[in-house]
Amino acid sequence: QVQLVESGGGVVQPGRSLRLSCAASGFTFTNHAMHWVRQTPGKGLEWVASISFDGSDESYVDSVRGRFSISRDSSRNMVFLQMSTLRPEDTSIYYCAKSLLSYDITPLFDYCGQGTLVTVSS
Amino acid sequence: EIVLTQSPGTLSLSPGERATLSCRASQSFSSIFLAWYQQKPGQGPRLLIYGTSNRAKGIPDRFSGSGSATDFSLTISRLEPEDFAVYYCQHYGSSLPTFGQGTKVEVK
Repeated sequence: QVQLVESGGGVVQPGRSLRLSCAASGFTFTNHAMHWVRQTPGKGLEWVASISFDGSDESYVDSVRGRFSISRDSSRNMVFLQMSTLRPEDTSIYYCAKSLLSYDITPLFDYCGQGTLVTVSS
Repeated sequence: EIVLTQSPGTLSLSPGERATLSCRASQSFSSIFLAWYQQKPGQGPRLLIYGTSNRAKGIPDRFSGSGSATDFSLTISRLEPEDFAVYYCQHYGSSLPTFGQGTKVEVK
């Protein structure tokens, strides 16, 4: 069965960096785009970033573009979110998500992980 | 940006009852690009419906979706105990996918 396991969350000071990881299993990783979605109590669910099945295409929500970078390692079936210049408003639970459609970066997610909490605070 | 407004915020019902959840968009879009997710505490969202009315793999047929243009709905024909959760609609047809704020279905 499909499993997505996020890790790397924690408490970090504003302006610092953090790298989230997502270990994927149970499907053909190289056929599917992957995404990061975050959730805060006040702002609800928010799409953060997407990477195409082959890593050739990336997209970001405006609020993180230039600060966050999504990447993938097909040899290890992993997705990463490198977060830099973190702000208090980046405090959220971050979920890794798999695209429903093969070879399509459309942000329609058929599986999400359990999430990892990122807290940006001094 | 397409803003999705869900109503009601909370729906209090008993097992066996019918639930109807609404999702209204700030502008019209193709029904191809509307999805519904279910979320339970401590879990990530789970895809229920995509393309307005297509059930995702393994989703029971008591879940159904309908709508077009700016008005969409999710219906749970008979609530089972495991259906009490928060439900989100999502537009995924543009460079900025957006979610509604959620409807909580709670036990009356």
